Amino acid sequence: QVQLQESGPGLVKPSETLSLTCTVSGGSVSSGSYYWSWIRQPPGKGLEWIGNMYHSGSTNYAPSLKSRVTISVDTSKNHFSLRLSSVTAADTAVYYCARLSWEYSSSHHFDYWGQGTLVTVSS
Amino acid sequence: QSALTQPASVSGSPGQSITISCTGTSSDVGSYNLVSWYQQHPGKAPKLMIYEVSKRPSGVSNRFSGSKSGNRASLTISGLQAEDEADYYCCSYAGSSTSLFGTGTKVTVL
Repeated sequence: QVQLQESGPGLVKPSETLSLTCTVSGGSVSSGSYYWSWIRQPPGKGLEWIGNMYHSGSTNYAPSLKSRVTISVDTSKNHFSLRLSSVTAADTAVYYCARLSWEYSSSHHFDYWGQGTLVTVSS
Repeated sequence: QSALTQPASVSGSPGQSITISCTGTSSDVGSYNLVSWYQQHPGKAPKLMIYEVSKRPSGVSNRFSGSKSGNRASLTISGLQAEDEADYYCCSYAGSSTSLFGTGTKVTVL
């Protein structure tokens, strides 16, 4: 059974960079047709896709966040990471990591999720 | 990219059937049979309920079913139960290697 676990600071100051890591167990970030993803949910609001990464290094980002987001993967540690720069209060959210099963035209769904971690942007 | 449109809330009595709609455009829902649905209980992570429009993952009750027509996808819950009370989100592949979630629907069991 694949499990994902987010970790990182729960409080980030405005204008600084948010950094989170997702550790994968029960599976490998290097395997199969899977993309490793970040999704966030502001308090009381809906889900927002942030971006994803394939183990080869290929990345895809939401257009609205593209200028501030970097997703990277460390296959030796079997984890992947999110960096979001120049944060503001609007970036306060529960951040989820998830596995995206994706093959063009035939498969696209998030089948495993982490429990989520709340990140608050405040001075 | 704007979020897919879902009704804010849907309610039904135990045993009834309800349907949640998810309206997109010809660039996302209408172009791909790659719509998925997620159930989220308060304080919990979303759970995959339907994928590729109408497929159910192992372990998901057959009371949950999905369909699509044009730019609109739907999730139907039949035989509504108290445990189905949760938020539900649709998601679609939106082209250019991007994903797009719906606005979310709160399901209330009366």
